[in-house]
Amino acid sequence: DGGITQSPKYLFRKEGQNVTLSCEQNLNHDAMYWYRQDPGQGLRLIYYSQIVNDFQKGDIAEGYSVSREKKESFPLTVTSAQKNPTAFYLCASSILAGQFDYGYTFGSGTRLTVV
Amino acid sequence: SQQGEEDPQALSIQEGENATMNCSYKTSINNLQWYRQNSGRGLVHLILIRSNEREKHSGRLRVTLDTSKKSSSLLITASRAADTASYFCATVFNNNDMRFGAGTRLTVKP
Repeated sequence: DGGITQSPKYLFRKEGQNVTLSCEQNLNHDAMYWYRQDPGQGLRLIYYSQIVNDFQKGDIAEGYSVSREKKESFPLTVTSAQKNPTAFYLCASSILAGQFDYGYTFGSGTRLTVV
Repeated sequence: SQQGEEDPQALSIQEGENATMNCSYKTSINNLQWYRQNSGRGLVHLILIRSNEREKHSGRLRVTLDTSKKSSSLLITASRAADTASYFCATVFNNNDMRFGAGTRLTVKP
């Protein structure tokens, strides 16, 4: 079955640590996205990528970094520069970059907690 | 802000009743989408309505779009306990920017 896999489901980070969240899709989608969701709030865009080896900042990119070396993979690193990283992180993909006539497919999320 | 805003923030109904959620936005859109999120899970795409469409149906879901009022509504008919979830509207703007609202939390009591 095709879909998006996010791992791990739960992640704990110590102060000053960098952590990487994995996102893999086998849908052959061109575009991939990372969103952050805080309790009771909507989704805020962190980064997105429309093609391999290219990505753009979203609304809240500070303290985060990404790479897109393969079409299937779009890992997100939460760096120590992100002062309030505790949140629910969602990865999504869509068929064709810029083609919003199709919905996004979402992964099941990673819950990151700072300890 | 460009993002849509859902109303109400929370809605509690009995099983079998209809649930209506609204979404308002401020600038012209390309299309509007509705998503569902069960607690602690990812979002699931429900339905998309284009700016030149006024109404769409999918099973027990009915979506309307009024571009003159810059608003959309999602109606779930004959609700079930399994419909309990948060529902988000996502507005797609002409520059292909897509924004999510804060969602409506729906509780359907058995």
